[in-house]
Amino acid sequence: GAGVSQSPSNKVTEKGKDVELRCDPISGHTALYWYRQSLGQGLEFLIYFQGNSAPDKSGLPSDRFSAERTGGSVSTLTIQRTQQEDSAVYLCASSLALLAGGSTDTQYFGPGTRLTVL
Amino acid sequence: GQQVMQIPQYQHVQEGEDFTTYCNSSTTLSNIQWYKQRPGGHPVFLIQLVKSGEVKKQKRLTFQFGEAKKNSSLHITATQTTDVGTYFCAGQGSGNTGKLIFGQGTTLQVKP
Repeated sequence: GAGVSQSPSNKVTEKGKDVELRCDPISGHTALYWYRQSLGQGLEFLIYFQGNSAPDKSGLPSDRFSAERTGGSVSTLTIQRTQQEDSAVYLCASSLALLAGGSTDTQYFGPGTRLTVL
Repeated sequence: GQQVMQIPQYQHVQEGEDFTTYCNSSTTLSNIQWYKQRPGGHPVFLIQLVKSGEVKKQKRLTFQFGEAKKNSSLHITATQTTDVGTYFCAGQGSGNTGKLIFGQGTTLQVKP
């Protein structure tokens, strides 16, 4: 596709429910990243994928958060038993590849999913 | 763990004035990237700095990477209303593979 797409754009859920957020990266991009941005705050790294594997899951806030990527393309971020503090914009980004030496390439961000937990 | 601090958090300037945001890392960085996020939008890549002491320019924007590769700055000359937004630095630590740590961002307001 022309850019990174995310769905849904907005999600309102009740506390305790599970939610699934989807990210479609730019075609051909092997690296995919998930971030969380609370209102007026910076970007909080959650997890990234190189292909289908996730070398670094250190940013996931708790074991209620999980993510997977299949076919080296689409990724889903699942939040189980949502809490009010999970309310934020969840941003996905993709990059062409990890460069030699582990340097990250330019990241292209999607429009985000605004999650509101009531 | 690695932390990236960015100051100031907010900056209000009159159109035509200059603007600078500063970024400091607790650890040596392999590279640093700068992003701009317009109100209601998502971050958009501006530039990446890799070399110690590197300086890059994009029209009215000047980006610097410190000699020790632990700090960086973005300077905008003669701000315009189109410069409004939040500017984020994002650092990648040495030995890391892909993970970027973002600063808190500097939100720039420009009064016409």
